[in-house]
Amino acid sequence: SAVISQKPSRDICQRGTSLTIQCQVDSQVTMMFWYRQQPGQSLTLIATANQGSEATYESGFVIDKFPISRPNLTFSTLTVSNMSPEDSSIYLCSVGGGGADYGYTFGSGTRLTVV
Amino acid sequence: GQQVMQIPQYQHVQEGEDFTTYCNSSTTLSNIQWYKQRPGGHPVFLIQLVKSGEVKKQKRLTFQFGEAKKNSSLHITATQTTDVGTYFCAGGSYIPTFGRGTSLIVHP
Repeated sequence: SAVISQKPSRDICQRGTSLTIQCQVDSQVTMMFWYRQQPGQSLTLIATANQGSEATYESGFVIDKFPISRPNLTFSTLTVSNMSPEDSSIYLCSVGGGGADYGYTFGSGTRLTVV
Repeated sequence: GQQVMQIPQYQHVQEGEDFTTYCNSSTTLSNIQWYKQRPGGHPVFLIQLVKSGEVKKQKRLTFQFGEAKKNSSLHITATQTTDVGTYFCAGGSYIPTFGRGTSLIVHP
């Protein structure tokens, strides 16, 4: 299965600022996924990122707030823009598995606190 | 949209006791996946079930997929402190929908 390097692992940010989270995969993948996990909660899909096209956002998430880049098949970034304390959460990138034995692989996550 | 319900939300057990978490969907699932997230960690894939009535085992963990492919369960026999974490089911088509998770707390 793929190995994902995600950074930063954590950050404390001032409200009104933006943070860009990076994910690097050790192999080429068609789709990358960005999730948000609020403390003690499940994983909520933010968007799906394909290389060479605009990301597809889930209901409740918009491009102006969470712009995503996917410049190549091994890399993606998620920016959390104009942050407020409500954006405090864990953000995770993920890639799909290569078959039934692998499932989805997640990055180690970015723990964001907005103050 | 598709929803996957998971119960219980929390489960406290004494070390050595068994543990079960249940996952239910209102619609038929093409497959169900199970993940474990250790405290402070990220979800790690455990297994995928595809066939109706399928049962798979991983050491002390037993995974079942219902005959109607609308429910699933994860059973851990004789829990150990290393089993602590949140167990998520995820069901659906190409992009799975995650259940809320069951947090397992094991008391030594």
